[in-house]
Amino acid sequence: DTEVTQTPKHLVMGMTNKKSLKCEQHMGHRAMYWYKQKAKKPPELMFVYSYEKLSINESVPSRFSPECPNSSLLNLHLHALQPEDSALYLCASSLSAANYGYTFGSGTRLTVV
Amino acid sequence: AQSVTQLDSQVPVFEEAPVELRCNYSSSVSVYLFWYVQYPNQGLQLLLKYLSGSTLVESINGFEAEFNKSQTSFHLRKPSVHISDTAEYFCAVSVGSGGGADGLTFGKGTHLIIQP
Repeated sequence: DTEVTQTPKHLVMGMTNKKSLKCEQHMGHRAMYWYKQKAKKPPELMFVYSYEKLSINESVPSRFSPECPNSSLLNLHLHALQPEDSALYLCASSLSAANYGYTFGSGTRLTVV
Repeated sequence: AQSVTQLDSQVPVFEEAPVELRCNYSSSVSVYLFWYVQYPNQGLQLLLKYLSGSTLVESINGFEAEFNKSQTSFHLRKPSVHISDTAEYFCAVSVGSGGGADGLTFGKGTHLIIQP
């Protein structure tokens, strides 16, 4: 298995909803990442987990809450989002903190209404 | 802090012509460089990467990039493009000091448009 799997592929949510994005990999990678990509813009790093511990939080609003329950799973919990949070959310993983072989998932396209 | 500059937001090229997509980086420490391709409504696919060793790196689909430390560049080239190469191309950098868990910093992207 050489993939990063993200679910759901599409999500529409209201501003008062709570939802979660899920990311899974079975490559034995120990670093996992969340990126946000707005239309026609490059991906921007949100969070980094290294060995299931949060190592980087790029000043992301608290309405985004990451969780890494084990080495294969990464979640992004969403609550009270704004329409401007609509974007493609990409998950990625790499073998370890010293390995640069990043693998990206195909993303979850989120629309906040 | 590191940064990546992709000078061209859009590059139109005729089919079977050569193309070069430019990428310059800025960093005070050693860097690792990547090119990713993104097709419409899809995630990112790694084209090629430079970590160390030979400064010329190649991908399986005919692209190549050369790491030039003196010019702080990592330009992407293909000698003959195909309609299927139409996509957004991102240059990215990861610095060496923090390890791979620093994540990637991306350039703004270059939209490659192949004209028949």
